[in-house]
Amino acid sequence: QKEVEQNSGPLSVPEGAIASLNCTYSDRGSQSFFWYRQYSGKSPELIMSIYSNGDKEDGRFTAQLNKASQYVSLLIRDSQPSDSATYLCAVKTSYDKVIFGPGTSLSVIP
Amino acid sequence: DAGITQSPRYKITETGRQVTLMCHQTWSHSYMFWYRQDLGHGLRLIYYSAAADITDKGEVPDGYVVSRSKTENFPLTLESATRSQTSVYFCASTPTGRAREDTQYFGPGTRLTVL
Repeated sequence: QKEVEQNSGPLSVPEGAIASLNCTYSDRGSQSFFWYRQYSGKSPELIMSIYSNGDKEDGRFTAQLNKASQYVSLLIRDSQPSDSATYLCAVKTSYDKVIFGPGTSLSVIP
Repeated sequence: DAGITQSPRYKITETGRQVTLMCHQTWSHSYMFWYRQDLGHGLRLIYYSAAADITDKGEVPDGYVVSRSKTENFPLTLESATRSQTSVYFCASTPTGRAREDTQYFGPGTRLTVL
C-alpha cells in the first residue's frame, strides 16, 4: 500500500460545479495535511492546510479531515476554468516526513 | 524578496556529463529538499538537508550527490548523467521541518533533458 493515495484522474467538472478531490494515507499518526495546486509547467503552491478533524473553509475551498478513516478531501465550490490544474495531497507523517500523493488532474469545462 | 530560486531553469546535456543544479533560498529555512517529478510517479524525494553540513538520502538518491556548506544553498549534482535522469527537478524548503504547520515552499523548477 502506498503511503498517500489520491483518486485517479483526470477529473472533469463543468464550470460552476463542485469538484471533489480525495486522498487517503497509511500512517495513522500523521498530524498535518496539505493540499497543493500545480499548474502545468509550474511548481506546486500551497492552497490549504488542515490539522484537526472536521472542515476548514477558505473562500471556495474546503478541506475535510477524518483521521479515524485516514481520509482527507478538498472540495472546490463554483469551479472555474482557472482551477484546472493538478492537485497534490501531502501528508506530514508521525516521523516528520512529508509524503506527496501522485496528484489528481482536474479539468473545469466552460 | 526572491524566496527560493533555481538555476538553470532549462538544461540540455549529454549522457555521461556532470551537471549541477543550483538552489538558493533567502528565508534562512533549516530544511531543504530536492525532488524530481516524472509523469506517472509524482514528486519523488532525492535528498534532503536538515541544516548546513547535514544531508540525508530520500527515496531515489542513486546517481545524485548533494552538499550544503551554507544554509541558503543546496546544489544537486548528477555525477554522470543518464537518460533516465531526464526530469523536472524541484527544490523546496521549510522552516524547521518539525512544526505541525511547517509546509514546503517550492522553487520554480529546472527542466533537465539528457540526450
